[in-house]
Amino acid sequence: NAGVMQNPRHLVRRRGQEARLRCSPMKGHSHVYWYRQLPEEGLKFMVYLQKENIIDESGMPKERFSAEFPKEGPSILRIQQVVRGDSAAYFCASSQRRGGDTGELFFGEGSRLTVL
Amino acid sequence: DQQVKQNSPSLSVQEGRISILNCDYTNSMFDYFLWYKKYPAEGPTFLISISSIKDKNEDGRFTVFLNKSAKHLSLHIVPSQPGDSAVYFCAASGIQGAQKLVFGQGTRLTINP
Repeated sequence: NAGVMQNPRHLVRRRGQEARLRCSPMKGHSHVYWYRQLPEEGLKFMVYLQKENIIDESGMPKERFSAEFPKEGPSILRIQQVVRGDSAAYFCASSQRRGGDTGELFFGEGSRLTVL
Repeated sequence: DQQVKQNSPSLSVQEGRISILNCDYTNSMFDYFLWYKKYPAEGPTFLISISSIKDKNEDGRFTVFLNKSAKHLSLHIVPSQPGDSAVYFCAASGIQGAQKLVFGQGTRLTINP
């Protein structure tokens, strides 16, 4: 049973381009979370989604960032007009239900975005 | 505002000895605490958790202690093994559930043979 799958693992973009990061949750999981890790920092919550619904986007920057989790297909984190400060590792996590049994989230291996 | 703090960026321990990783938090609304382990170029993996109604939780070589009055928790690994070398993140969540895990900055643990 595959874990949380993220792609691409590495993405290089020039300033002003768009970045799309994809996340397929673990089988049977309907809750998806996106976190961002800047160099030498901890993970910061961005957004929490269920199928076709954004539950909590309080950690998302107000502009250029959007997320979706359609009925079919992976969750997508979209960053428009990227800037150098967007360079980071973006981690997706999933759980079977809200918070999981022990609060545990299952993380993917991350997508590393580099903005030139 | 760093609500969860890990004040030691790194820790070096001899193989076989005890590793103690510390974490402090400021928000008294947190009621669930977790430790994650992370290897380079991989995602964090869940290690152990504790709810605020307990002061200790043990799982094999890993024990987490919670001191609510001091807003402090610690992770003990005994005996430490070379495979334990990784970055350890402390995380906390509030009554609403784990959708907003708040992470500390991490502590890089190195186990020396």
